[in-house]
Amino acid sequence: DAGVTQSPTHLIKTRGQQVTLRCSPKSGHDTVSWYQQALGQGPQFIFQYYEEEERQRGNFPDRFSGHQFPNYSSELNVNALLLGDSALYLCASSLGFGPEKLFFGSGTQLSVL
Amino acid sequence: AQSVTQPDIHITVSEGASLELRCNYSYGATPYLFWYVQSPGQGLQLLLKYFSGDTLVQGIKGFEAEFKRSQSSFNLRKPSVHWSDAAEYFCAVGAQGANNLFFGTGTRLTVIP
Repeated sequence: DAGVTQSPTHLIKTRGQQVTLRCSPKSGHDTVSWYQQALGQGPQFIFQYYEEEERQRGNFPDRFSGHQFPNYSSELNVNALLLGDSALYLCASSLGFGPEKLFFGSGTQLSVL
Repeated sequence: AQSVTQPDIHITVSEGASLELRCNYSYGATPYLFWYVQSPGQGLQLLLKYFSGDTLVQGIKGFEAEFKRSQSSFNLRKPSVHWSDAAEYFCAVGAQGANNLFFGTGTRLTVIP
């Protein structure tokens, strides 16, 4: 049984560009949450998707957007990249809601130059 | 406001010595508390969790944590540290039914032979 898979594992972009990160949830899970982990910091909640809609959002600007597909996979899009967007982006999936249900992927390391 | 404080940025212990990592939280509702471990460039692995019942919880890899409501603390302990325990440790707090966890800034553990 595959866990949460994220792609790509590493990505390098330039300031001002746009990026899309992908997440496939653990089999049987229907909810996807995204977190940003800057260097030396703990992860910060970006948003959560359930039934193809954004259900909850953290304190992130509108440059951060997402999508969930009918197969429950999800994308995180970041527009107009800033140097400060360089971070490890973690996807977590769950069956329904609840922090005790979260399974984290290994993340996508984004570097913005 | 919700917050998690891990006062120790970096801890060094000798292999075989005991370990205690501190975590203090501020949370308005009944907290769901977690400890995660992260190896360099990797995702988060759940060590243990607490949301009700016995305030001393056992986790994987020989770790345990004690919830003390009066002190708003959830400290992580291990009686004998192994070299493979060297990693970053994160304390997190959440609420029932919500997928947005609040993380501390982490404690980096170094184990010396």
